[in-house]
Amino acid sequence: GEDVEQSLFLSVREGDSSVINCTYTDSSSTYLYWYKQEPGAGLQLLTYIFSNMDMKQDQRLTVLLNKKDKHLSLRIADTQTGDSAIYFCAESKYGGSQGNLIFGKGTKLSVKP
Amino acid sequence: SQTIHQWPATLVQPVGSPLSLECTVEGTSNPNLYWYRQAAGRGLQLLFYSVGIGQISSEVPQNLSASRPQDRQFILSSKKLLLSDSGFYLCAWSKEGNQPQHFGDGTRLSIL
Repeated sequence: GEDVEQSLFLSVREGDSSVINCTYTDSSSTYLYWYKQEPGAGLQLLTYIFSNMDMKQDQRLTVLLNKKDKHLSLRIADTQTGDSAIYFCAESKYGGSQGNLIFGKGTKLSVKP
Repeated sequence: SQTIHQWPATLVQPVGSPLSLECTVEGTSNPNLYWYRQAAGRGLQLLFYSVGIGQISSEVPQNLSASRPQDRQFILSSKKLLLSDSGFYLCAWSKEGNQPQHFGDGTRLSIL
C-alpha cells in the first residue's frame, strides 16, 4: 500500500513542544519530508530526512525516523503562534523519474497563547 | 535562487467554461514539474507530472489536461469545467525525481 497517515489535529500551548507523528507503509521510500502549509498558501518544505538516517535536527525542528516501525515524527521546540499551520508528511519513492510524493492528509497544529 | 510562480491566485469560473492555469519556474533548467489538486479534505492529489518539454504523465483520469510548451512552463487546462473541478491547485518543481519538491502559492479555483 501507499498510505501515509497522520492524526488530523494537534493543539499545544505557546512555549511547549509539539510532536507531529506520521506512519508510512512503503519501506522502499528513500526520502521522507515535512511540509508546512499556512492558510491560503502553498506548501513550504520544512525539512527532510534520508531513509538511512534516524535523526535530523535543524534549529527548533527535530525529525526522528524509525524505519522498523515506518514511523516519522516532527518535533517543534518552543512552539510559537506563528507555527500554527497544517503540517504534511510525505514519502518519495526511489527509481521513479517522476519523483512521486505520497502525502498524508495533514495535521492541523493550533498554538494557544 | 529558484522561484516558482503560479497565476492567477484566485479564479471564479462558470460550469462549462474553459480553464488555463499557468506555472513558471525561474533559476533552474530542465526541472521536473508537477500539478496537484488539494480538495477541501486537505489531501493532495497528484494530477500530472512532466520530466521534460512535451512529456506529460497523467496520474488520474479526469476533465483536465496539462502541457509543457517550454522548459520552465507548465500549463493546466480544461475545455469545459465541471463543479467537481473546484479546489486549490498547486504547481511544484524538483531538480530530479527523488529530490525535494518546491511548491508555488497555489490557485484557488471556484466553479459556479
